[in-house]
Amino acid sequence: DGGITQSPKYLFRKEGQNVTLSCEQNLNHDAMYWYRQDPGQGLRLIYYSQIVNDFQKGDIAEGYSVSREKKESFPLTVTSAQKNPTAFYLCASSIDPGDLPSGLAKNIQYFGAGTRLSVL
Amino acid sequence: RKEVEQDPGPFNVPEGATVAFNCTYSNSASQSFFWYRQDCRKEPKLLMSVYSSGNEDGRFTAQLNRASQYISLLIRDSKLSDSATYLCVVNAGGYQKVTFGTGTKLQVIP
Repeated sequence: DGGITQSPKYLFRKEGQNVTLSCEQNLNHDAMYWYRQDPGQGLRLIYYSQIVNDFQKGDIAEGYSVSREKKESFPLTVTSAQKNPTAFYLCASSIDPGDLPSGLAKNIQYFGAGTRLSVL
Repeated sequence: RKEVEQDPGPFNVPEGATVAFNCTYSNSASQSFFWYRQDCRKEPKLLMSVYSSGNEDGRFTAQLNRASQYISLLIRDSKLSDSATYLCVVNAGGYQKVTFGTGTKLQVIP
């Protein structure tokens, strides 16, 4: 089955610790994204990547880092510099809009099941 | 003004009722529009894209009004399983310019 797999489902971080959230997709999508969702708020973009070995900061990148060494994988590291990391983290992927016929809605994003990160 | 605004609800409706949600957006250059459904503590899932001519999928109808900069979602014959939060999503073009609304919560009551 094609899809996006995030792991772990739940993660606990100790003070001063870096933690890494995994995101793997087998949809052959070029673009991948990381979002953070807090209660009562919309999704906020942390980082995105359009292609292997390239990624861009989103609206709230401070305290986070990513890598994109393979098309299928886009791990997110929550560093100790992120002072309020407790949230629901969602990874998404999408087809390159340039690969779609005109007239179709662009940039439909498909999400993994998410990782809930809490601070101990 | 927020880029994408939705009434958070909750909308409490009886089974079988028709319910409608609106979502306004501020960027007139927005190009693509979507409705996603998010169940409690789960990931968002695409419900439907919204096209200029309006589109329907079973009990769900989505419409776009570019002049007034809003999209709408109409749910007919509500089912208990429709209970969820409905997210409005707007893409102004480019990978970064996808904005999610905070969602409208729907509770369908027996």
